[in-house]
Amino acid sequence: SQTIHQWPATLVQPVGSPLSLECTVEGTSNPNLYWYRQAAGRGLQLLFYSVGIGQISSEVPQNLSASRPQDRQFILSSKKLLLSDSGFYLCAWGRGRANYGYTFGSGTRLTVV
Amino acid sequence: GESVGLHLPTLSVQEGDNSIINCAYSNSASDYFIWYKQESGKGPQFIIDIRSNMDKRQGQRVTVLLNKTVKHLSLQIAATQPGDSAVYFCAEILYSSASKIIFGSGTRLSIRP
Repeated sequence: SQTIHQWPATLVQPVGSPLSLECTVEGTSNPNLYWYRQAAGRGLQLLFYSVGIGQISSEVPQNLSASRPQDRQFILSSKKLLLSDSGFYLCAWGRGRANYGYTFGSGTRLTVV
Repeated sequence: GESVGLHLPTLSVQEGDNSIINCAYSNSASDYFIWYKQESGKGPQFIIDIRSNMDKRQGQRVTVLLNKTVKHLSLQIAATQPGDSAVYFCAEILYSSASKIIFGSGTRLSIRP
């Protein structure tokens, strides 16, 4: 069966520090991968998606970047965090067809102080 | 469409009653729809899905209705239980657009004892 892992679960970082959040998928190959951000009590905003190694599409202009160095690895990064980067970050994977479903990781709570 | 910046509306339901959660989606060409349940501090969990060529699908205690004419989805939960308390999001997927999961407006379901 397929599983998705995200870490760390929580993170407190000072303003101006770098960021690296990692997401990995097991039990499948060539998944579509997505990064979302959720502010407290609000909806989910799509930040990046990837349909293959090295292929990254950005949905909104921001202080973050994403990379996909391996087929089942998706990384969210920043060189210098801003206060506004605080939020709940979620990784998801899908196969582009309904019968495979779309599954989310457990999320990373990032607080920039 | 996305409700990233909006506070979530709340639906309060008596335990044991049926709940109906509504959602408007944005793209009439979307191929596939999913309802997710998100508990506090966790990632969204799949509840039920429906393809665009269907108008109704039933699961265990849940039913999804799709009205493509008005771009409307609803989730019906029968005999609502305390464990149903969560935020519920609808999501639409367009296969030709990298199968991005685009979330609709979320609703916070609150259960009265």
